[in-house]
Amino acid sequence: DARVTQTPRHKVTEMGQEVTMRCQPILGHNTVFWYRQTMMQGLELLAYFRNRAPLDDSGMPKDRFSAEMPDATLATLKIQPSEPRDSAVYFCASGWEPDRGIETQYFGPGTRLLVL
Amino acid sequence: KQEVTQIPAALSVPEGENLVLNCSFTDSAIYNLQWFRQDPGKGLTSLLLIQSSQREQTSGRLNASLDKSSGRSTLYIAASQPGDSATYLCAVPKEDSGAGSYQLTFGKGTKLSVIP
Repeated sequence: DARVTQTPRHKVTEMGQEVTMRCQPILGHNTVFWYRQTMMQGLELLAYFRNRAPLDDSGMPKDRFSAEMPDATLATLKIQPSEPRDSAVYFCASGWEPDRGIETQYFGPGTRLLVL
Repeated sequence: KQEVTQIPAALSVPEGENLVLNCSFTDSAIYNLQWFRQDPGKGLTSLLLIQSSQREQTSGRLNASLDKSSGRSTLYIAASQPGDSATYLCAVPKEDSGAGSYQLTFGKGTKLSVIP
């Protein structure tokens, strides 16, 4: 049963510390998305990769957030330095984008981040 | 900018009742619309995807309809069960040929409780 995996599942850290979240997309998928979910804002897209290339990271605060795909099996989202307002659940999703357009996205279980 | 609204924010129904969840979007230039389910502490699971050329999709007790011209979609759940209790989110991508075409904009969801 193929699924997206995310680590860690929970992270508590202090303000100013670096946080790295990891995602393993489903094997064979060529798109990866990072989302952030909060009660106030709901789900927001942070970054989007296709064939490992970043296509859109306009939803991401550039000064402290960075997203990369070192290889096809690993996507990372890094926050440095972290702030209390970054506390949220961060989801990774992957999908297969055929020529005519992307189909459904498969979500990981999320990383629940608390910045004190 | 695309905005997605879901009303009501929460819904409680007795087991066995049929129910309708609503989703509205401001920009009708969408490629498709998806309905997702989110269980507490979990990621999202895609339930139904309706292409812009379709008017409805069915899966088991679920039926989703799409009216692009009016910017609305409904998710109909027949004979509700306690196991249907979850938050239901709808999401639309922006129809665009450029990068970021497949960003999903989510509604904030309807939290459904089915009472035994």
